[in-house]
Amino acid sequence: DTGVSQDPRHKITKRGQNVTFRCDPISEHNRLYWYRQTLGQGPEFLTYFQNEAQLEKSRLLSDRFSAERPKGSFSTLEIQRTEQGDSAMYLCASSPEWPEAFFGQGTRLTVV
Amino acid sequence: QKEVEQDPGPLSVPEGAIVSLNCTYSNSAFQYFMWYRQYSRKGPELLMYTYSSGNKEDGRFTAQVDKSSKYISLFIRDSQPSDSATYLCAMSAETSGSRLTFGEGTQLTVNP
Repeated sequence: DTGVSQDPRHKITKRGQNVTFRCDPISEHNRLYWYRQTLGQGPEFLTYFQNEAQLEKSRLLSDRFSAERPKGSFSTLEIQRTEQGDSAMYLCASSPEWPEAFFGQGTRLTVV
Repeated sequence: QKEVEQDPGPLSVPEGAIVSLNCTYSNSAFQYFMWYRQYSRKGPELLMYTYSSGNKEDGRFTAQVDKSSKYISLFIRDSQPSDSATYLCAMSAETSGSRLTFGEGTQLTVNP
């Protein structure tokens, strides 16, 4: 296993379009996290899953954002009606045991 | 005021120098303290973590936590050009595996 995998690596979309990102965690990691990182800033927490249960959501996760982790394996993050302010790097991390968290390479979203 | 403050730098040092990176925080509930390294266009990589106050050493890296002062540090001895990256501190108030609160990162360049 080569680590947390995120797809796509880059996404350019027009304002108002919907986008979906996928994260494949390290196998047998039951915790999965989504973060958002803008240029020159540290990652900001978005949401957290333990297995298939979404246990915590940040207030940053507006009603345009939704995340799922069916069957407790891969996860998807969908952004509806994208806005220019959504442009950022979206990072996924998985964890076998707190506090170790392993991040993927991220999906860079550009909204034009 | 941000919960975690980190000087963004940039910090430029000659090869072989001792580097000191620092963060302050305001939330006294933080219990886990992490340092991540992030290369350009990559996801953060966990370097080390400590629980509560004290020191932890791993090779050329030493992490220190002073909870009484709400101050944490990362020291890099014998710095190498390959250490050039952005260093992020992160903290958690949870013991069971929830969100990390990151500083904005310090950009370090080690010159050969």
